[in-house]
Amino acid sequence: DVKVTQSSRYLVKRTGEKVFLECVQDMDHENMFWYRQDPGLGLRLIYFSYDVKMKEKGDIPEGYSVSREKKERFSLILESASTNQTSMYLCASSSPVRLAGVSGELFFGEGSRLTVL
Amino acid sequence: DAKTTQPTSMDCAEGRAANLPCNHSTISGNEYVYWYRQIHSQGPQYIIHGLKNNETNEMASLIITEDRKSSTLILPHATLRDTAVYYCIPSYTGGFKTIFGAGTRLFVKA
Repeated sequence: DVKVTQSSRYLVKRTGEKVFLECVQDMDHENMFWYRQDPGLGLRLIYFSYDVKMKEKGDIPEGYSVSREKKERFSLILESASTNQTSMYLCASSSPVRLAGVSGELFFGEGSRLTVL
Repeated sequence: DAKTTQPTSMDCAEGRAANLPCNHSTISGNEYVYWYRQIHSQGPQYIIHGLKNNETNEMASLIITEDRKSSTLILPHATLRDTAVYYCIPSYTGGFKTIFGAGTRLFVKA
């Protein structure tokens, strides 16, 4: 079974702490994404990456950074966590459609629920 | 980016077909229509996608109108486990520009 694995299902951090959210996929996908999901606001794209060491800002990158040193791993970093970053964080991966039979859909992890106190 | 309109919520009796409509009148010619669903406290799950033709897989069927301005996702025999939020998303393949709206909350009732 193909998988996107997020390192922690639940985290509680304090304001000002540095937070790392890790995501690993085993499908050899080129594209990886970080979203956050909040009630009433839906899923919003934070950052994405289409190759190792490449990153692009999404719709709400402020307060976040990312790292992609290896193809299978995409990390989201909160340099100094704040209470307004309390949210559900979702990682996803996909393959660009270059091969027959590839649908190009997003595969999501289970999510990491972060609470910043 | 194409905008979508979906009902906020729908009910369906267990065992009956669930028909979820989506209006995407501003879809561009090379955007696919993707459908995902999100069961409570889980990440979204891909269901099906299509460009022009109707599509069917083991989960659902997708009917796209000839003018591509709307589509309908059909779950042929809904079960309680199909209770979820369903998202209709015009998107290019590869996941770029995949914008999730509010979706339709489907309640399947026994």
